[in-house]
Amino acid sequence: GESVGLHLPTLSVQEGDNSIINCAYSNSASDYFIWYKQESGKGPQFIIDIRSNMDKRQGQRVTVLLNKTVKHLSLQIAATQPGDSAVYFCAENTASGGSYIPTFGRGTSLIVHP
Amino acid sequence: GAGVSQTPSNKVTEKGKYVELRCDPISGHTALYWYRQSLGQGPEFLIYFQGTGAADDSGLPNDRFFAVRPEGSVSTLKIQRTERGDSAVYLCASSLTPMRGEGSYNEQFFGPGTRLTVL
Repeated sequence: GESVGLHLPTLSVQEGDNSIINCAYSNSASDYFIWYKQESGKGPQFIIDIRSNMDKRQGQRVTVLLNKTVKHLSLQIAATQPGDSAVYFCAENTASGGSYIPTFGRGTSLIVHP
Repeated sequence: GAGVSQTPSNKVTEKGKYVELRCDPISGHTALYWYRQSLGQGPEFLIYFQGTGAADDSGLPNDRFFAVRPEGSVSTLKIQRTERGDSAVYLCASSLTPMRGEGSYNEQFFGPGTRLTVL
């Protein structure tokens, strides 16, 4: 079975509720942030991004908030649906070799109950 | 449409053996990335290719790990003398071009990964 410490933080919500997933990042020099969704057996999927010169960005049903003072990101999902059930990762990005290289956080498991 | 594909989907090997993991990026994508994801963790960057050359290999954990992309398309991650600690899901991603520091982000599209188990 799984060992203690391998269990992800979990957020359990009812269908239709709003969800908020939080993430702390470590590098104050990071200037680009991305939220990813990962379903079981699949690779991460891009959801929304935000640059460090912004504090809020909205997409379809999702909003990302960035607080650089405390190095904190949040992902808000409106009217959460069962299909939103997945593990969500934030990633801070640093420029290297002509690209941005992401450093992923540990992830939060979102469970949406019908 | 065709996304990033990775083969095999599962690989079981014995400690000390050599393994190769293959990644087929989306056609036309010049940038290719390898990551490793352990159970309960986020993906960890290993290496990034721009075309045929490795632009950043700072994430490779040691010299047992090596990756190539000889024709700027398919890439192979090679692990020598595998250890039990190498067990993980190895993810590949590609993007149209690498994201430039001052430019817009070119989304990385991930494959489903190869689950490597070292016994």
